[in-house]
Amino acid sequence: SQQGEEDPQALSIQEGENATMNCSYKTSINNLQWYRQNSGRGLVHLILIRSNEREKHSGRLRVTLDTSKKSSSLLITASRAADTASYFCATDLTGANSKLTFGKGITLSVRP
Amino acid sequence: GAVVSQHPSWVICKSGTSVKIECRSLDFQATTMFWYRQFPKQSLMLMATSNEGSKATYEQGVEKDKFLINHASLTLSTLTVTSAHPEDSSFYICSARGVPPGSGANVLTFGAGSRLTVL
Repeated sequence: SQQGEEDPQALSIQEGENATMNCSYKTSINNLQWYRQNSGRGLVHLILIRSNEREKHSGRLRVTLDTSKKSSSLLITASRAADTASYFCATDLTGANSKLTFGKGITLSVRP
Repeated sequence: GAVVSQHPSWVICKSGTSVKIECRSLDFQATTMFWYRQFPKQSLMLMATSNEGSKATYEQGVEKDKFLINHASLTLSTLTVTSAHPEDSSFYICSARGVPPGSGANVLTFGAGSRLTVL
């Protein structure tokens, strides 16, 4: 069964706006990762947040983690048309970067 | 950075034939490689975990005789879809775990995927 569930399933925004995507999971984790996938391509790792971290930044990306609510959010600030892609959260239960469990993904469309 | 190459990127075959997909870590040794399957607009489903020199560990519901995985070296794993049928049509993605030169960290790197269409 899916460990991570993202919402919304699809998001359409105007270039320059911020995009917020959420992910909820069911069991305790070691870390949670966000990935990006362009249509028909592989996954690109964006950011990893550990269970003892609450917030992390990387460029225009900001990820938060609330282990009490078993949820995470990914914020992309000042979005660009090139940010159009599918975004997945993935949970790592052991920290060994082994069996990642992916959510269903969020399709982000950024209108120029 | 770490690079994982998948080949072929797309393949079309007739029903009943077997198809081999390669996953190579180009600049690091991958002790473990993972194979995923992804249906359109769906998530990635882990099929199996392969460790170099040993048998792959398959996830529940994945037929090991149908999806043969070989991890013969630290840089190459192959997935063979045997006697492929239209329902095997999917996007197959591999990932490799290892320590790329200069990174000092164990990272997971994904290939670009292979789209299989079985007619």
